[in-house]
Amino acid sequence: GQQVMQIPQYQHVQEGEDFTTYCNSSTTLSNIQWYKQRPGGHPVFLIQLVKSGEVKKQKRLTFQFGEAKKNSSLHITATQTTDVGTYFCAGPQGGSEKLVFGKGTKLTVNP
Amino acid sequence: DADVTQTPRNRITKTGKRIMLECSQTKGHDRMYWYRQDPGLGLRLIYYSFDVKDINKGEISDGYSVSRQAQAKFSLSLESAIPNQTALYFCATSDRGQAPQETQYFGPGTRLLVL
Repeated sequence: GQQVMQIPQYQHVQEGEDFTTYCNSSTTLSNIQWYKQRPGGHPVFLIQLVKSGEVKKQKRLTFQFGEAKKNSSLHITATQTTDVGTYFCAGPQGGSEKLVFGKGTKLTVNP
Repeated sequence: DADVTQTPRNRITKTGKRIMLECSQTKGHDRMYWYRQDPGLGLRLIYYSFDVKDINKGEISDGYSVSRQAQAKFSLSLESAIPNQTALYFCATSDRGQAPQETQYFGPGTRLLVL
């Protein structure tokens, strides 16, 4: 079945450093979503990308969708301690409306 | 999301016991989901329901059953709990027809420990 691979699994950074997590799908995606889960919390929707090559920004977060719509990335500029958590990408499974989640990238930020 | 609630929030049970996890939502969404989260394994879909009369297995449904009592309520049961069902369980909802893809709203989670 369709898989959504996410790397790295863990990332430790010093506050102020940049961070990037990558998401790759075995099949072309119609769209991709990103979620953030704070420690002890639940996943919360961040953004959805739909168009080939799309780039969206939310303050220090930049989301990209690949030209082939098989990969995506989330880049955080100048991380802050409030960025800690696990970031998940998710894409629709096949032609269905279910989402397949990547395994997530856990980000820790040292102050 | 306060519109999606789960009970209990924490539960300790013993091997072989039957346990039910409950999820309620006030978002008016048709679709509800149960996920399991284990360290390093992300979110795995157990069951999902696209409306009250529709129940579907996810990728890891063995050992679990569900009941959709109403549009707002979706319960997950472990008929005979075993230790490897120790995990964090999330309920989620989505709004049918949201284009181009439904986003999911998660409850706060239930942390289950099976001894």
